[in-house]
Amino acid sequence: GAVVSQHPSRVICKSGTSVKIECRSLDFQATTMFWYRQFPKQSLMLMATSNEGSKATYEQGVEKDKFLINHASLTLSTLTVTSAHPEDSSFYICSATRLAGAETQYFGPGTRLLVL
Amino acid sequence: AQKITQTQPGMFVQEKEAVTLDCTYDTSDQSYGLFWYKQPSSGEMIFLIYQGSYDEQNATEGRYSLNFQKARKSANLVISASQLGDSAMYFCAMRRGYNQGGKLIFGQGTELSVKP
Repeated sequence: GAVVSQHPSRVICKSGTSVKIECRSLDFQATTMFWYRQFPKQSLMLMATSNEGSKATYEQGVEKDKFLINHASLTLSTLTVTSAHPEDSSFYICSATRLAGAETQYFGPGTRLLVL
Repeated sequence: AQKITQTQPGMFVQEKEAVTLDCTYDTSDQSYGLFWYKQPSSGEMIFLIYQGSYDEQNATEGRYSLNFQKARKSANLVISASQLGDSAMYFCAMRRGYNQGGKLIFGQGTELSVKP
């Protein structure tokens, strides 16, 4: 199966700082990447859809200026949590789909963010 | 509006027995895809099985099979010969359209515990 990586896997930061999370497709080209957020014991909530070379599409209720998404290449998308606050603490997970005709989203291992 | 419902928050199964995890969906689309993902405590989302709305045969992948009943709008996951490593959260998801790149809508999840 396709491999998607995320970095870092865990991050602890102080309130007010910004944190960047990388999502890479390692063995395929991904036209589209998705960013999700998951609270403990809950389902995944889609935050935004990221297409290479264009602006991300955010879901209703997700602050664009708070969660900056950049999809600079067919193998890399980044999520930056700006001016993080404790309520931003969560599990962030990305997924990617292949360039041509695949049916499946492949997920990264996720990033646990703790804001103190 | 599209919706995925998993009515079993938690399930227990004896090792080596089969278990069925329920999933019902609501959509007015004719073309859609149904997925099951496994999420162990590590957090990564592992793709298990896919069923397209036009697929006449139920999907199977090793010990996993999807019991697709289109008229009832259900897509239950059957795990045969449960193993201790099957203990995890299981999410059912639906995607609009047949082609890659669509958004996934997730159910609430079912926590499966396999007893030795």
